[in-house]
Amino acid sequence: AQKITQTQPGMFVQEKEAVTLDCTYDTSDPSYGLFWYKQPSSGEMIFLIYQGSYDQQNATEGRYSLNFQKARKSANLVISASQLGDSAMYFCAMREGGNAGNNRKLIWGLGTSLAVNP
Amino acid sequence: NAGVTQTPKFQVLKTGQSMTLQCAQDMNHNSMYWYRQDPGMGLRLIYYSASEGTTDKGEVPNGYNVSRLNKREFSLRLESAAPSQTSVYFCASSTGTGLEKLFFGSGTQLSVL
Repeated sequence: AQKITQTQPGMFVQEKEAVTLDCTYDTSDPSYGLFWYKQPSSGEMIFLIYQGSYDQQNATEGRYSLNFQKARKSANLVISASQLGDSAMYFCAMREGGNAGNNRKLIWGLGTSLAVNP
Repeated sequence: NAGVTQTPKFQVLKTGQSMTLQCAQDMNHNSMYWYRQDPGMGLRLIYYSASEGTTDKGEVPNGYNVSRLNKREFSLRLESAAPSQTSVYFCASSTGTGLEKLFFGSGTQLSVL
């Protein structure tokens, strides 16, 4: 079963508008971390934001915020005031904290392609 | 401020040839990883090294070997390249201390003809 699901293969947003990229996850481990990475067309993987399962507040990093709904097991990325440079693939990933054999592994979603229109 | 450096950036091989992808990090990280990225399949873990002196298989280890040469360096070897190994390869590292993020190299685009 998919542990990380990104249901939106592609998204469009108008420049300066906000956009939400969906991510749902599945784990029975009470300790886990959720990550978002950006991959522009140049290919590098850029870390954007992190949310720990025990964090009380939703994570924010500049124009990026994470809408963390623990009961729904969702960790949606919100990009405010979209810019042309935000056009990229966005990946959601999870690391589980328990089970020493598995906690070195980051589990990845398949990504969402975001296009920002001028 | 190099971070994670992997070489080469591009490589074309013929079926059956061998090659080694090199990766080095200068952040004193304990853990290092090799991923491959294929269209529609996301990132898949090939091998990882939780700490110097240890290596473990990931999701797709067949056809690959790794060496954690020292704390800085983690190489990936294709002994006999196959067209199915055409992919983009990423090296990454992390502190290895908990729920930490990964730092990625810039990737290697490998084509096996």
